[in-house]
Amino acid sequence: GAVVSQHPSRVICKSGTSVKIECRSLDFQATTMFWYRQFPKQSLMLMATSNEGSKATYEQGVEKDKFLINHASLTLSTLTVTSAHPEDSSFYICSARDKGDTEAFFGQGTRLTVV
Amino acid sequence: GQNIDQPTEMTATEGAIVQINCTYQTSGFNGLFWYQQHAGEAPTFLSYNVLDGLEEKGRFSSFLSRSKGYSYLLLKELQMKDSASYLCAAMDSNYQLIWGAGTKLIIKP
Repeated sequence: GAVVSQHPSRVICKSGTSVKIECRSLDFQATTMFWYRQFPKQSLMLMATSNEGSKATYEQGVEKDKFLINHASLTLSTLTVTSAHPEDSSFYICSARDKGDTEAFFGQGTRLTVV
Repeated sequence: GQNIDQPTEMTATEGAIVQINCTYQTSGFNGLFWYQQHAGEAPTFLSYNVLDGLEEKGRFSSFLSRSKGYSYLLLKELQMKDSASYLCAAMDSNYQLIWGAGTKLIIKP
């Protein structure tokens, strides 16, 4: 199956700093990228959807100025958590889908801990 | 509104069979997905159903009834490594996935 590489897998940062998470599709074109957040023992919560070359569409309640998404190429999308706070600590997962496909492939996830 | 319901937790015995049910209500429908997620890891794809009926893939099978808005995941010959959360997700008319909260499956020896 298609491979999506997400980096870093774990990151610890100080409160007030910014963290960038990268998501790359290795063998297909990620026309659409989805960014999820998952708190312990809860389901995936969609944060935003981005199409290559377009601005991301954020879900209700997700601050676009805090969670910056860039999808400038067909193989790379980034999520930057700006001015991180402890409540932003969570598991962040990307998934990518090629145009015309129904299945989206997941990255490995990033465990963010803000101290 | 859009909604996915699945049990929170199930327990089964190694070697047995377990069925995890999922009911959905979505605006339009473009298929039903099942994912497996081990603690601390990203979900991995198990199955996709868009037509009514049973799809068998090794020890795992998935069933869909569109008229009833119902699906189940059937796991046979359970192994300890099958202990995980199983996520049901329905794709709506906009090709967006609507996720269930997941069913935590506990396998006992």
